[in-house]
Amino acid sequence: AQKITQTQPGMFVQEKEAVTLDCTYDTSDPSYGLFWYKQPSSGEMIFLIYQGSYDQQNATEGRYSLNFQKARKSANLVISASQLGDSAMYFCAMREDRSGATNKLIFGTGTLLAVQP
Amino acid sequence: GAVVSQHPSWVICKSGTSVKIECRSLDFQATTMFWYRQFPKQSLMLMATSNEGSKATYEQGVEKDKFLINHASLTLSTLTVTSAHPEDSSFYICNGAKVAGNTEAFFGQGTRLTVV
Repeated sequence: AQKITQTQPGMFVQEKEAVTLDCTYDTSDPSYGLFWYKQPSSGEMIFLIYQGSYDQQNATEGRYSLNFQKARKSANLVISASQLGDSAMYFCAMREDRSGATNKLIFGTGTLLAVQP
Repeated sequence: GAVVSQHPSWVICKSGTSVKIECRSLDFQATTMFWYRQFPKQSLMLMATSNEGSKATYEQGVEKDKFLINHASLTLSTLTVTSAHPEDSSFYICNGAKVAGNTEAFFGQGTRLTVV
């Protein structure tokens, strides 16, 4: 069965510093996708970054990068140069990508990030 | 990116009444719509999966007669909370998907339901 684990319930980071949010996963499917979402207090789910299981390079999107270590089954999110607006809940999610099917996202428990001035 | 429009964004209703939440995919055809529920300070939990033109598949522990899901077209899916009770108060959010392999899953804005 799929499982996503986020071991950090909360994190503090100083403005302009980098922060790493941990995520480990478990799946028996060889084809899967890993996602990170940001959820501010308004509730909307903001897509940040995606990593496919067959991607050779770590995904990057602006200040977000995903440290993908397939053998360790980890997909940590790195936010560089933190900004006050980065304060939010962050969710790691996984989707098993079976051919021809649309598959559900399984979410971790989330990490609440607080950026301090 | 593609847009899923979810309405209402918040709703308060009296216990025993029903509430309908709509999700529309505005610029793509959502062959599948996933419905999630999120209690305060918790993660998103999948309630059900609906495919256009067929019955929804509910996750274990989710009452299908209480949470009615209709996916009559490729652009509209609805969730109706029937005979709502205070314990149904939660954040409900939909997630539209085209086909497997998309690098992004498209979420609605969410609906905060409060039952009094």
